[in-house]
Amino acid sequence: DADVTQTPRNRITKTGKRIMLECSQTKGHDRMYWYRQDPGLGLRLIYYSFDVKDINKGEISDGYSVSRQAQAKFSLSLESAIPNQTALYFCATSDPTRTGGVQYFGAGTRLSVL
Amino acid sequence: SQQGEEDPQALSIQEGENATMNCSYKTSINNLQWYRQNSGRGLVHLILIRSNEREKHSGRLRVTLDTSKKSSSLLITASRAADTASYFCAPDTGTASKLTFGTGTRLQVTL
Repeated sequence: DADVTQTPRNRITKTGKRIMLECSQTKGHDRMYWYRQDPGLGLRLIYYSFDVKDINKGEISDGYSVSRQAQAKFSLSLESAIPNQTALYFCATSDPTRTGGVQYFGAGTRLSVL
Repeated sequence: SQQGEEDPQALSIQEGENATMNCSYKTSINNLQWYRQNSGRGLVHLILIRSNEREKHSGRLRVTLDTSKKSSSLLITASRAADTASYFCAPDTGTASKLTFGTGTRLQVTL
């Protein structure tokens, strides 16, 4: 089983719809991250969380919100999806005390907003 | 965090050849990490080199770090078709463990 699991793997939605992407991990890491990847732009950080009570904005948080329901779960929501949020979304985890800042990624969610 | 910039953007070689890709960054770091991404998949960590290290090996991978020039290189020796992927460097300043990824080097290894 994957250590970092993202659901759904693919999603097509319409403009204006609310959508939630979910991430769960079995690595026992405190830190979790959400990125988006667009062709030619690399990965950009949306939000990150160091524990259940600590959530921080990344470089492109506008239009997104997150919820850290438990150490193992970190969800990303698009309150009102728009076409330019079409992208590949990745969740990642880390534990600097054990792995020196290395991040472990899920397989990604491909989101299309029509 | 800061963005690493990979060079070249794309690289095409034949199986058995060596592949070298470079990374430049802007400020002081605690470590620098390299990741691989197969098409449309999640990133996979390859190797981490600390700021006080100059060279590190892992299997067919060799990473060098020159903090005076703020640059790193990743060498893949005896490339295989399975090495076809995008490769990203991620400088880690140690602040909040945020990594910022560049656009990567797309490596194509042909038979």
